[in-house]
Amino acid sequence: SQKIEQNSEALNIQEGKTATLTCNYTNYSPAYLQWYRQDPGRGPVFLLLIRENEKEKRKERLKVTFDTTLKQSLFHITASQPADSATYLCALSSGGGADGLTFGKGTHLIIQP
Amino acid sequence: DGGITQSPKYLFRKEGQNVTLSCEQNLNHDAMYWYRQDPGQGLRLIYYSQIVNDFQKGDIAEGYSVSREKKESFPLTVTSAQKNPTAFYLCASSISLDPSEQYFGPGTRLTVT
Repeated sequence: SQKIEQNSEALNIQEGKTATLTCNYTNYSPAYLQWYRQDPGRGPVFLLLIRENEKEKRKERLKVTFDTTLKQSLFHITASQPADSATYLCALSSGGGADGLTFGKGTHLIIQP
Repeated sequence: DGGITQSPKYLFRKEGQNVTLSCEQNLNHDAMYWYRQDPGQGLRLIYYSQIVNDFQKGDIAEGYSVSREKKESFPLTVTSAQKNPTAFYLCASSISLDPSEQYFGPGTRLTVT
């Protein structure tokens, strides 16, 4: 069955450092991959989308890589700030039109001042 | 001010009762989705609709029903047949073109006792 794995343990990073989150998947051939941020009790907010033929995507302090050979995406936040503390969700789609996404469980990121 | 609204934010029901969750969007998006989120879990797709008067089952549709009579509205009914209805329910929308980011509402927390 399709499986998406994100580090279930909280990730503690010191302010100013780069936070790196991992998303691994199996039994899946995604056409594209998305990253969302979710704060407690709120809906997820879209951050970045990367297609299967793209290696890297950047947006301000955020960077996403997508390695279809390793079946892995890395999500980086540079110069991290306490306001970056949240749960980050990885989501995959096979690209069959406007179908729903398959989400990982998310990684809880804590940026310590 | 465009976006997705879900109401109410908190909902309490007795076991055996059907309950309908509201979702409205003014983003002019064709596609709408319902997800369920349990503590420590990723989002799971319940139903999605790509166009008015049409919808498809997601991964966990049993015990749920939806309608899409208007482009702006996609209500979800949690029926008494749903064995574990207590959860955080999230509605989302997107343009129908692929790929596309999803915009989420604030969510409804349903508690059934």
